Amino acid sequence: EIVLTQSPGTLSLSPGERATLSCRASQSVSTNYLAWYQQKPGQAPSLLIYGASSRAIGIPDRFSGSGSGTDFTLTISRLEPEDFAVYYCQQYGSSPWTFGQGTKVEIK
Amino acid sequence: QLHLQESGPGLVKPWETLSLTCTVSGGSISSSSSYYWGWIRQPPGKGLEWIGSIYYSGSTNYNPSLKSRVTISVDTSKKQFSLKLSSVTAADTAVYYCARQNYYESSGSFDYWGQGTLVTVSS
Repeated sequence: EIVLTQSPGTLSLSPGERATLSCRASQSVSTNYLAWYQQKPGQAPSLLIYGASSRAIGIPDRFSGSGSGTDFTLTISRLEPEDFAVYYCQQYGSSPWTFGQGTKVEIK
Repeated sequence: QLHLQESGPGLVKPWETLSLTCTVSGGSISSSSSYYWGWIRQPPGKGLEWIGSIYYSGSTNYNPSLKSRVTISVDTSKKQFSLKLSSVTAADTAVYYCARQNYYESSGSFDYWGQGTLVTVSS
């Protein structure tokens, strides 16, 4: 099973700042099958990025994903008020599909 | 717009079987060979755990950590797929989500999710 470790656990930033979230895999993620999801309180996760770097439909371009192999990054170029949430990475290249433990982006 | 909705009891007794159904609307559960239909859970205040997924033909893929207790089935005529988790304990208390796994447009990630339903295991 591929273990995904996200860092930091919590990121305290102000609106307009840049957020950089990390996701490290215990072994290489096949074909970069790595996704990022955003979850707000009381809501289901929603897909932001798939294939490590492709934005899902309707996702603004301030969200970008990068990386390959075992190291992946989600970058939010300029935080908007609605971006403060918990973010999860997930690999779907090797079953069982697994999620990271999440990074909370909170308002400083 | 695709919509998924979970339904089922919110309270299950220890050692009994948890049963949930996901109803798909706004699209077909069997219209494309590119979709799997999955279950994911989230204990209160914790992270996400994939339980298993099913293809419209009935082919399944389960998380080995739960495989001995999980059964996922599909009823394409009703546009539903279902989860059964046997011998539940308090550790199975969680919000249970159903979701679509899209291999065509998003390379296998979960692109549509239900709103989730809280299932509490307690006597």
